[in-house]
Amino acid sequence: GAVVSQHPSRVICKSGTSVKIECRSLDFQATTMFWYRQFPKQSLMLMATSNEGSKATYEQGVEKDKFLINHASLTLSTLTVTSAHPEDSSFYICSARGGSWTDNEQFFGPGTRLTVL
Amino acid sequence: GENVEQHPSTLSVQEGDSAVIKCTYSDSASNYFPWYKQELGKGPQLIIDIRSNVGEKKDQRIAVTLNKTAKHFSLHITETQPEDSAVYFCAASITGGGNKLTFGTGTQLKVEL
Repeated sequence: GAVVSQHPSRVICKSGTSVKIECRSLDFQATTMFWYRQFPKQSLMLMATSNEGSKATYEQGVEKDKFLINHASLTLSTLTVTSAHPEDSSFYICSARGGSWTDNEQFFGPGTRLTVL
Repeated sequence: GENVEQHPSTLSVQEGDSAVIKCTYSDSASNYFPWYKQELGKGPQLIIDIRSNVGEKKDQRIAVTLNKTAKHFSLHITETQPEDSAVYFCAASITGGGNKLTFGTGTQLKVEL
């Protein structure tokens, strides 16, 4: 099956710093990549959708200036959490889909645990 | 927008028994319904999915049923094993509508020896 990787798997940073998380599709070209946030014992909440070469579409309530998303190629998307604060601590998960617009299946990465001190 | 409800939130079964998790959705335009298994500290893994032109789909011990009229779908796991213990999420999306997934709230399944 299709494989999606994320790096780093865990990151601890100080409040006020920025953190970049990478999401890569290893064996397919990702037409679209999605970024989710998951708090403990809760469901996945979609933050934004990104298509290669275009600006990301953010869900309501997600600050686009705080969560910068870049989808520079068909195999790489990055999420940068700018000026991170403790309330940004969460499990960040990306997913990717390829193929045509009728291909629904999303392949998920292993997640990145962000802890902001 | 789409709203997906999932029940129960926790489910404990004895090894070998069956487990059933139910979801309802609100948007009649939704036509793709995947189920994911998430182990602690890991990303979700697709275990089975169903499209709206099919009423039932089975893959070994796992089956999913869909009732479009009632707008609900269910996951059935037979002959449960301890390794089935995890959090299970249902989701719904619309083909071509950005293909965004709306997730249910999750079910913590515990299979006891």
